This record gives sequence, C-alpha cells and structure tokens, in this order.
Amino acid sequence: GAVVSQHPSRVICKSGTSVKIECRSLDFQATTMFWYRQFPKQSLMLMATSNEGSKATYEQGVEKDKFLINHASLTLSTLTVTSAHPEDSSFYICSANREGMNTEAFFGQGTRLTVV
Amino acid sequence: GQNIDQPTEMTATEGAIVQINCTYQTSGFNGLFWYQQHAGEAPTFLSYNVLDGLEEKGRFSSFLSRSKGYSYLLLKELQMKDSASYLCAVSDSNYQLIWGAGTKLIIKP
Repeated sequence: GAVVSQHPSRVICKSGTSVKIECRSLDFQATTMFWYRQFPKQSLMLMATSNEGSKATYEQGVEKDKFLINHASLTLSTLTVTSAHPEDSSFYICSANREGMNTEAFFGQGTRLTVV
Repeated sequence: GQNIDQPTEMTATEGAIVQINCTYQTSGFNGLFWYQQHAGEAPTFLSYNVLDGLEEKGRFSSFLSRSKGYSYLLLKELQMKDSASYLCAVSDSNYQLIWGAGTKLIIKP
C-alpha cells in the first residue's frame, strides 16, 4: 500500500518556540494533503487542507498565522506550529490520497507534540 | 449540518462477535470508511463501502445502507489485539472526510 511518512513522531518544546512537522508521500504524488489534530479521547479534527503550489485552506477556528502550512512539492507538506503554547499540545496527523479523489486516506504516523 | 453518530464505547468477549453501528447525515455521499486506531497511533484503513450491501474481509465485514444513512462494522472471532477505537468516516460531496467520534472497543478475556 501507499506510504505516508511523518516526522518527528514525538517532540517536546518550550512555550513560545516553533515546531515544524513534515509529511511526505513516499511512493505517490499528493496534490492534496490534510492536517488533523486529535485531543485525548476525541475524534480527528480537520485543521486544514494543504494544496501543492497554493495556499492552504483552513477550517473555521484554526488560526492561519499560528499553524503555517507549506506544500512546496507533490510529496511534501509541512505544518509549523508557531509560538507554541501548552494548549497546542496534541496529536497531529497528516494524510494524503492517491490521485483519483475517492480513495482511502493514507495516514502518517502522527506527531505527539508536548509544549512545556 | 453534517453529523456522524457511533456509540462511545462497547465491550465484548474474546472469541465473540461485535457489531459497531454508524449513522450519518452529510451533504452528499461519496463513500463510507472504517478505520481502526490504537491509542497514540494514527488510524489504519479497514474498509470502504460506496454501494449498498456487505463487504467481507477476513474477520472484519462492513455493511452499508445509503437509504437509511447507516453502516456497521462487524468483527468476528475477537482477539485481544482488536481492542482499539473504531472510526467511521463519510466522504461528502466535496470528497472531504467527515469523522465520527469513534467507538472504543474493549475486549475482555
């Protein structure tokens, strides 16, 4: 099956610093990638849709200036959490679909972010 | 609005059968997915239904009724490793996945 690689898997950072999370599709091109956040015992919540070569589309309530998304190539999207605060501590997961819209989503391994 | 409902938690016995239901109301429908998620890990794909009926894949089967806005995931011969959350997700008219809150399945010996 298709592989999506996400790293780091875990990161601990100090409050006020920025953290970058990478999401790569290893064996297929992904014009669109998705970034989710998941708090403990809650479902996945879509944060934004990352579009290669254009601006990301953010869901309502997600701060664009805080969660910077860059989709510079067909195989790489990055999420940067800027000026992180403890309330940003969460599990962040990316996913990508193969070409042909209605296929299963392939997920990265997820990143556990802890802001201290 | 768009809504996916599934039970919060279920308990079953090792070796038994369990059915996890999912009902949905979405703007358009382009298929329904079931994912398994172990704690602290990313979801893994289990099944995809876009037409009515039952799809069987080993110990797992998934059923869909589009007219009723209803699906279920059936797990047979339960094993302890099946303890996980099971997420129902619907692809809407824009091919965006709308996620249910997940059903935590607890398997007891």
